[in-house]
Amino acid sequence: EDKVVQSPLSLVVHEGDTVTLNCSYEVTNFRSLLWYKQEKKAPTFLFMLTSSGIEKKSGRLSSILDKKELFSILNITATQTGDSAVYLCAVGAASGYALNFGKGTSLLVTP
Amino acid sequence: SAVISQKPSRDICQRGTSLTIQCQVDSQVTMMFWYRQQPGQSLTLIATANQGSEATYESGFVIDKFPISRPNLTFSTLTVSNMSPEDSSIYLCSVGETDTQYFGPGTRLTVL
Repeated sequence: EDKVVQSPLSLVVHEGDTVTLNCSYEVTNFRSLLWYKQEKKAPTFLFMLTSSGIEKKSGRLSSILDKKELFSILNITATQTGDSAVYLCAVGAASGYALNFGKGTSLLVTP
Repeated sequence: SAVISQKPSRDICQRGTSLTIQCQVDSQVTMMFWYRQQPGQSLTLIATANQGSEATYESGFVIDKFPISRPNLTFSTLTVSNMSPEDSSIYLCSVGETDTQYFGPGTRLTVL
């Protein structure tokens, strides 16, 4: 059975700290790994990582994929209160378009 | 990326009733998906809705409970039928573009 596990489940940091969020997976015929930021209801797309793109960076956010060890990390540097959200990791398989989501990491950045 | 809207954004319903959620996209898309997010849980795929064919449901979800329509390439509806409090969730539609999925704003449903 496909599985996506995120850790930690929750995290509280101070503004300016750097955080690392983890996502490990077991998926048959892995195709891609996606990171989303969920505030209130709608998940917002952050990154997609595949075999041909194992490292992505956008501003203070960056992510890498380790296909050998079957995990990904999402780094956020110089955190701001606006980074407070649930961060979701999702994995897609080559067999279809469905995404298998982890339970998410709830990040709270305090002033 | 596509702009996705959902209606209603939230609703409070009585048990035994049904609610239809609409998902509108500003461009034509082949793949549309419906997800459920129960309180404190992550997203679970309900079904994939392709235009011109019946929706494909994931294990644990059935058409009688969650009928889906996909009349064209920009619109889909999900109905939550004969609701019970266990159906209280956020319902999200998403569209697929290559390997990426983009989500609508979601519908927060509370069943009393």
